Amino acid sequence: SQQGEEDPQALSIQEGENATMNCSYKTSINNLQWYRQNSGRGLVHLILIRSNEREKHSGRLRVTLDTSKKSSSLLITASRAADTASYFCATVSGNTPLVFGKGTRLSVIA
Amino acid sequence: ETGVTQTPRHLVMGMTNKKSLKCEQHLGHNAMYWYKQSAKKPLELMFVYSLEERVENNSVPSRFSPECPNSSHLFLHLHTLQPEDSALYLCASSQERGSKKLFFGSGTQLSVL
Repeated sequence: SQQGEEDPQALSIQEGENATMNCSYKTSINNLQWYRQNSGRGLVHLILIRSNEREKHSGRLRVTLDTSKKSSSLLITASRAADTASYFCATVSGNTPLVFGKGTRLSVIA
Repeated sequence: ETGVTQTPRHLVMGMTNKKSLKCEQHLGHNAMYWYKQSAKKPLELMFVYSLEERVENNSVPSRFSPECPNSSHLFLHLHTLQPEDSALYLCASSQERGSKKLFFGSGTQLSVL
């Protein structure tokens, strides 16, 4: 069954603003990962947060994880037009393959 | 460049054709995956090969036939496809154990006429 569910489905912001995307999942996890996909291309891994971590940073990316609420958020600060893409969360439980959500489509308007 | 190469990049085929998609990874991974991405649908896991053995087959129609001759190569053989099979087919690789961080190819955009 599908694990991650991103929210919102689509987000449109001005360049320079922050973008926040949320992900909810259903069962216990080992880790949660965020990926980015430019239109018609493969997904690219952005950041991984383990179940015993609460927050992680990588450049302009900040990820939080709340295992009690089974949710995660991805914050992109000072967004750029080049950040326009779809963003997916994916969860790892036990030894099963990653399960992806439907994604959030982010549009950053210059 | 992610270290995972897919060919062809685009493919148009008729319903009676037979074609194959190819994936090659240069990362030393021991697990490889086929995903299907249709418009407005979640990414669907089709097949998983771990240590060259198929470990998962998510109710995929038999007109899709995977092959993994070694840990670096993965094929998806296609025959008598339907128009609803038109989609972006993505190959990915990872280590079989650990974080399972995936490295994706650029995908094959398939159109079935």
